[in-house]
Parts: sequence; C-alpha cells; structure tokens
Amino acid sequence: DTEVTQTPKHLVMGMTNKKSLKCEQHMGHRAMYWYKQKAKKPPELMFVYSYEKLSINESVPSRFSPECPNSSLLNLHLHALQPEDSALYLCASSRESGKRVEKLFFGSGTQLSVL
Amino acid sequence: AQKITQTQPGMFVQEKEAVTLDCTYDTSDPSYGLFWYKQPSSGEMIFLIYQGSYDQQNATEGRYSLNFQKARKSANLVISASQLGDSAMYFCAMREGVGDMRFGAGTRLTVKP
Repeated sequence: DTEVTQTPKHLVMGMTNKKSLKCEQHMGHRAMYWYKQKAKKPPELMFVYSYEKLSINESVPSRFSPECPNSSLLNLHLHALQPEDSALYLCASSRESGKRVEKLFFGSGTQLSVL
Repeated sequence: AQKITQTQPGMFVQEKEAVTLDCTYDTSDPSYGLFWYKQPSSGEMIFLIYQGSYDQQNATEGRYSLNFQKARKSANLVISASQLGDSAMYFCAMREGVGDMRFGAGTRLTVKP
C-alpha cells in the first residue's frame, strides 16, 4: 500500500463553521505534512509532524489547528476561516523528516472553498 | 535559505518528441536532494525522479532523466518520447540536509497531438 488517502475531496464551508480535513497512510512513515496550494502556485509548507510530534509550524494562523492522533493519521482542524484560505490542501508523508533523500508521498488533496 | 527557480511558466511539445524543463537552485548546504513532481489536473503530486547532491551519475527513471549540472546549480528534467498523458504541471523541489521540501513555481507542459 503506497497511498496517502485524504478526505473529503471537496469541502465548502462558511466563515463561522468548524470542519476537519483527514489524512491517512499505512506505509509506516513517521513524518507527515500539510501543504497549502493556491491556484497556479506551488505547494507551501504549513506543518510537519515527526514521530507524532509537531516539529515545524510555518507561522500558520491559529484558525488552522493540526493534530496527529497516531503515526498513521493526520488531521487539520479548521475554524473561522477567511475566503482567502480557499485552496487545495495536500497531505504528504515520508519515512523520516529532515533528510535530503526522503521523497514525499502525496494524497490527492482536499479542495476547500470558504464562503 | 534555499531557493528554486523554474523560469518556464509554460512549455509546448509535440507528441513523441523530447522536452527539457529547466530548474536552477541556490543553496549553501553541500548536502541536498533534488526532486521532480508531476501534478495532473486531478491535483495529486506524483514523484518522478530524485538526484542527490553527491550522486556522480545523472538519475534516470524510464522516460525521465535528470540533467544535473552541479557547478551551474541546475537540475533540468528531460522527458523523452512525450505522450498526451504527460500534459500537467511539473514542479522542481529541493530538500537541504535537515530541511523540508520546498518547491519551485512550476512549469505547465502541454503535449500536442
């Protein structure tokens, strides 16, 4: 199994809603990532979890709250988002973090629209 | 801080022809890895090829090869025998020794029948 599964594939939410994005991998990877990608732009790193601990937070606003319940799961909790937060949210995993040889395995993403 | 530059916003290639997508990078770390990913309209980022800074030979994976010129800090992707399914966004990316993956701006490749 070399897949990273993200749900939902599409999400529309209002600015007062609370929602969660979910990501799952069963490759035994110990590093998991959230990236944000605006249309026609490259992915931008948001968070990195290494061995279930948050190791990198790229100065992301607190309305985005990551959670890593176990080594296979990664959540991104959303609250009081703004329309400019509309984007494709990509989850990725790798065997380890912080090593130049480690490629990332990506999910198909959640396309988020904030109204 | 690392920087990855892709100067070609869009490229066109005739089916069955070869195409080169450019990537230059800037880092002061002697240990780094270079990656190319393909992103079709479906959104998933698909890993294509990897080159390590200490690798002596250029990486190849099927129809993909990486033209690694370390002194010029370039890592161009060559796709041979282009197919219609190769039409997508292509991102060059780099990881420094203990850093995380950062991406260039991308090149949109269109393969013409």
